[in-house]
Amino acid sequence: NAGVTQTPKFQVLKTGQSMTLQCAQDMNHNSMYWYRQDPGMGLRLIYYSASEGTTDKGEVPNGYNVSRLNKREFSLRLESAAPSQTSVYFCASRSLAGGDEQYFGPGTRLTVT
Amino acid sequence: AQKITQTQPGMFVQEKEAVTLDCTYDTSDPSYGLFWYKQPSSGEMIFLIYQGSYDQQNATEGRYSLNFQKARKSANLVISASQLGDSAMYFCAMREGFTGGGNKLTFGTGTQLKVEL
Repeated sequence: NAGVTQTPKFQVLKTGQSMTLQCAQDMNHNSMYWYRQDPGMGLRLIYYSASEGTTDKGEVPNGYNVSRLNKREFSLRLESAAPSQTSVYFCASRSLAGGDEQYFGPGTRLTVT
Repeated sequence: AQKITQTQPGMFVQEKEAVTLDCTYDTSDPSYGLFWYKQPSSGEMIFLIYQGSYDQQNATEGRYSLNFQKARKSANLVISASQLGDSAMYFCAMREGFTGGGNKLTFGTGTQLKVEL
């Protein structure tokens, strides 16, 4: 039982390049989330998916797109990376049937030059 | 206005002592949940404790307890008998509205705790 996994762990992009961050959970959770963490600002919600087939914007969605590929997988895409998107990205999941907490992946450290 | 405020950027505590990390929140929703997460230097986010707005008793999980004062809108984390492994960043977070659905979390800026010998 791996929990929430994220790939890659580290990535360096040049301004204007695109990439997709992958997230998968094996806990049969319904809801999944993408956050970014910047120094001194805590975690901020980018997008979330309350259940398979639905996605919604969070606090800071600009410059990102998401896909809930199936119940297990939730990807985050940067179409044209900008230096302001340099951050640590966390994926999380939560079960509607379980407790209230969210379970986080190990994070992806992204640098855009 | 900030929804979650953590006013202590850094705290020091001696090993085996208790420490309180402050968190105040702002919401007009009568139903909400409050969470504490730990982030060690390795970077992962570890769930510690949860308190629901309708819970009658303060939450406890091992050495962690949540001092929930609803009228003051505070949800302080108390760590008893601190250990060196407690050195980490601690985040307070809030879910507004009933559980289920989106369950979006809003996080505070964190408190860096260092446990000293």
